[in-house]
Amino acid sequence: DTGVSQNPRHKITKRGQNVTFRCDPISEHNRLYWYRQTLGQGPEFLTYFQNEAQLEKSRLLSDRFSAERPKGSFSTLEIQRTEQGDSAMYLCASSLVTTDYGYTFGSGTRLTVV
Amino acid sequence: AQRVTQPEKLLSVFKGAPVELKCNYSYSGSPELFWYVQYSRQRLQLLLRHISRESIKGFTADLNKGETSFHLKKPFAQEEDSAMYYCALSGPHISGSRLTFGEGTQLTVNP
Repeated sequence: DTGVSQNPRHKITKRGQNVTFRCDPISEHNRLYWYRQTLGQGPEFLTYFQNEAQLEKSRLLSDRFSAERPKGSFSTLEIQRTEQGDSAMYLCASSLVTTDYGYTFGSGTRLTVV
Repeated sequence: AQRVTQPEKLLSVFKGAPVELKCNYSYSGSPELFWYVQYSRQRLQLLLRHISRESIKGFTADLNKGETSFHLKKPFAQEEDSAMYYCALSGPHISGSRLTFGEGTQLTVNP
C-alpha cells in the first residue's frame, strides 16, 4: 500500500461534459474525504465518508456533484454538466477514525474545464 | 463557524534566519490545530499537530488560546524549507474531524 491514489492526475473537459474521478485510500482507513482547491486558496471541504456512508456534504457540493464509496473502499466523485468554475484541484484524503486527525492526502486530480 | 487566517501569502527569508509563519483561528470550542506542508510537485502532508507538542524538521508551533494563534516557527531556516504551508483546524465537535484550512503561506528561503 503506497498511500492514497487518485486517478486521473489531470483531466481536461469541455463545458457541459460529465467527469468522474477515483480515489483509492489507504486500505485500513475507514474515513475518506474529498476537498477542492482553487488557485491561491487552501483546500475546501466537500464531503466525507465513514466506511460506505456519506456523512456530511458541504454547501459547496451542488446538485451536479455526487460522490460514492460503494463498498467502503475506493470512492468516486462525479461532476455533471461541468462549468468553468469547476476547474480546480480535487484532493482525496483518508484517515483511521481512531487516530488523532491524521490525514493522508493523495496527489489530487487537476480538472480544467474549457 | 470555524475560520483560519494566514495573513501572509508570501514570506521570504534568507538561509539561517529565523522564520515565523502566522496563523490565527476562530472556533468556539477546543481547537485541534495542524500545520500541513506542500513541497514543490509533492502532495500535501502533515508537518505537525499541536496535541503532539513535537518538533518536526526544526519547526515548532504553540497554541495560544488567548490570542487564538498557532504560529509556526523555526530558528534557522534552510533552503529545503521552501514550500507552501497551510494552517488547519479541526475539533472534537466538528463532524468527521474535517479540516478547515487557511489560504496558505508560500515560504521562500533564499541562499
